Amino acid sequence: QKEVEQNSGPLSVPEGAIASLNCTYSDRGSQSFFWYRQYSGKSPELIMSIYSNGDKEDGRFTAQLNKASQYVSLLIRDSQPSDSATYLCAVNDRGSTLGRLYFGRGTQLTVWP
Amino acid sequence: ETGVTQSPTHLIKTRGQQVTLRCSSQSGHNTVSWYQQALGQGPQFIFQYYREEENGRGNFPPRFSGLQFPNYSSELNVNALELDDSALYLCASSPDPGGYDEQFFGPGTRLTVL
Repeated sequence: QKEVEQNSGPLSVPEGAIASLNCTYSDRGSQSFFWYRQYSGKSPELIMSIYSNGDKEDGRFTAQLNKASQYVSLLIRDSQPSDSATYLCAVNDRGSTLGRLYFGRGTQLTVWP
Repeated sequence: ETGVTQSPTHLIKTRGQQVTLRCSSQSGHNTVSWYQQALGQGPQFIFQYYREEENGRGNFPPRFSGLQFPNYSSELNVNALELDDSALYLCASSPDPGGYDEQFFGPGTRLTVL
């Protein structure tokens, strides 16, 4: 069973701070990594995808991938109260032809004014 | 470009009944995956459809079945509902079944089984 683990949270940061969300995965063959944001009562929304080692920046979001350590993270700079949500880490299954995603349980982030 | 849509939004059923959930994929996407998300958990993969054929299944019993239609829309059917089937059911579409591709979720159907 392939596993995706996220820091349990909840994580609480003040407005303007950097929020750091972490994720580890068990399958060394995984090649695609995604971060989804899920507001309470809503469906997951894709916010970042990363495929190569290193950093990928998109606005206030930076995804970091280290395949050797089987680790992926998401940094949110200048956090805003509107960033308060659960963040889900997802990893694809490359052990088959499926585009199946394995998800962590999510980290709940609260940004307080 | 139209996003992923799902119907109905909410549904209440009793144990033993059957339910059908519907999904229309994003324009240009030919692959649909279904996930179940229990409260406080990450989504769990049920199965995927590509070109009207099941392209793989997760650890769900046969009473979970599906269909994909020529226009790439899809249905999820659940027979003999159990209390533990209460969850948010999510449909995700992607351009093809390859593992590199991003999957985009619809708004979900909240199923409550009493």
